[in-house]
Amino acid sequence: RKEVEQDPGPFNVPEGATVAFNCTYSNSASQSFFWYRQDCRKEPKLLMSVYSSGNEDGRFTAQLNRASQYISLLIRDSKLSDSATYLCVVGRNNNDMRFGAGTRLTVKP
Amino acid sequence: ETGVTQTPRHLVMGMTNKKSLKCEQHLGHNAMYWYKQSAKKPLELMFVYSLEERVENNSVPSRFSPECPNSSHLFLHLHTLQPEDSALYLCASSRLAGGTGELFFGEGSRLTVL
Repeated sequence: RKEVEQDPGPFNVPEGATVAFNCTYSNSASQSFFWYRQDCRKEPKLLMSVYSSGNEDGRFTAQLNRASQYISLLIRDSKLSDSATYLCVVGRNNNDMRFGAGTRLTVKP
Repeated sequence: ETGVTQTPRHLVMGMTNKKSLKCEQHLGHNAMYWYKQSAKKPLELMFVYSLEERVENNSVPSRFSPECPNSSHLFLHLHTLQPEDSALYLCASSRLAGGTGELFFGEGSRLTVL
């Protein structure tokens, strides 16, 4: 079983749609959780950290369920510029971050 | 604009060549990493340096040899690679204690092994 699993997609949605990505992780001792975004032929960049209480940043909402070892990312009112690959990242410790294979999103006009 | 710079951006090498990838970070971080990204696969953590000491080596073949001369520089020396080693090699840095755990990546070195 992969340490971090994501639905690879692709997700093709119209502008303005709401889209949700899910991620599961296998190591119950994981301590930190993130969503990164990677544009085509670019490096990954942090989108947001994920906290147990859930957190929101504008149109983006991230949630963590430790009991189910599950992380989610919700994007509301999708924009064309949201098209990218979204990477779920789980940290065993500060030195050791494990990445999912990514979920590809395309937002269409 | 990134605080992590990687060179070269593209590299083509034969299986008998020796080459090196270079990474430099200007963020004052104290941990540096090499990741490998192959098509349709997750980023694979290769090496971790914390305070200039190697703390992780994820069963990486010896044809990849890292070097961290100081907290700002990281190298990946390549020798007798195989075609399946062709991939994007990403360097990252982070701050340890007091940091959020965020990784800052360079733009990557795309390696093709013929």
